[in-house]
Order: sequence, then structure tokens, then C-alpha cells
Amino acid sequence: DQQVKQNSPSLSVQEGRISILNCDYTNSMFDYFLWYKKYPAEGPTFLISISSIKDKNEDGRFTVFLNKSAKHLSLHIVPSQPGDSAVYFCAAHSGTYKYIFGTGTRLKVLA
Amino acid sequence: DTGVSQDPRHKITKRGQNVTFRCDPISEHNRLYWYRQTLGQGPEFLTYFQNEAQLEKSRLLSDRFSAERPKGSFSTLEIQRTEQGDSAMYLCASSPRGPEGQYFGAGTRLSVL
Repeated sequence: DQQVKQNSPSLSVQEGRISILNCDYTNSMFDYFLWYKKYPAEGPTFLISISSIKDKNEDGRFTVFLNKSAKHLSLHIVPSQPGDSAVYFCAAHSGTYKYIFGTGTRLKVLA
Repeated sequence: DTGVSQDPRHKITKRGQNVTFRCDPISEHNRLYWYRQTLGQGPEFLTYFQNEAQLEKSRLLSDRFSAERPKGSFSTLEIQRTEQGDSAMYLCASSPRGPEGQYFGAGTRLSVL
């Protein structure tokens, strides 16, 4: 039962363009959503989050959008940089301390 | 280095052996999490500690798995009678508060032969 889904295993984007990573969820009780970035041989690093009472949160080049009716969130990176090349995980939280992660999307930013 | 530290980084063991992993969280963090990650998957929640109390355990944590956090500092994850299906990356994370600020270690990669 995959409650958090990232349907695109990989994405390639030209440097300077926008990267859009998508995530869908099934549990309407999720109250907090997070994005993590992971480089090889390192643990995931927290990137940005959004509460279910908001529909947008922005931090520098990173913006997360939440569409509760569609149970969909997306991460926009603009402009994309080669250093953004990594695996991105979305995660959801439902009031306990349990986080559910998606399967990840590998982003490659081409110079 | 004030990040989350995990030891060892790699562990190769034979099926049936017991293994123990250690996690040292960021010192002021009272919340500690263990996750398991297999190839092509995201981290799967295993268990959560607030200080020394283990407050939540996943169904993934069978009776062969046990985790402790004595005195609310470092934590250990033990797997008894390892099976090949236990081969995975075991990640530890700590945080000082709620959903944000969860800091991960680099993980311990377990290979069961």
C-alpha cells in the first residue's frame, strides 16, 4: 500500500530551466509534507516543507505547491543548477511521528 | 562534526548471525528515528524514540529487530538471526522538534550473504 507515490523515476532538465518534481498521496489525513534531497553515499537532507493548511511555500529557488483536492504536491526548482542533481524524495506526516516516503525521483541537471 | 553519526558504514554478515548498529544523534535532539531503505525505494519508517522512550514501532519491525536508546542519547538497532531479506541501508535521523529539521545520518549498509 503505497500511500505516497512519485511516478517519475527520473527527470532530466537543462541548466537554468525549471525542474518540476511531482508527488501524489492517498491519505487525506496527512497534515505535513516534506521534500528531501539525497546525494550518493549520504543520508537524505531536508529541503522544504508545507503544512496542509497552505497551498504554497517558497524558499529561495525552491517552491512547493500543494493541491489538497487532487492530493498532489510538486516541487519547483528554478533556475535549476548542476548541483541540484540528486534523488528527491517527498514525504508525508499524519500527526503521529511516522513519516511515509515516496520512492524518489532522480533529477539530472544538464550543463 | 556535529551531524548524525552511524557506525559501521558497511556490514557484511552471514545469514543467521546477529548484527548491531549504532546511531549518535545531534546532541541536543531528543527525537530519534530509524528507517530502512532498499534499492529503488524511499526510506521506510521502523521506529521512533522521544528521549529514551520508544513511542512507535512499525509492523516492519519483526520480533528479530530490537532498538534501544539508553539515557536518551545514542541508539542501537539489533537484528537477530539475520536473513537475506534484511539486506538494506539502515538510516538513522534525529530532530529537535516536529516535522521539520529531521537530520539523517549517512546510513549503515547491511549485506546478508
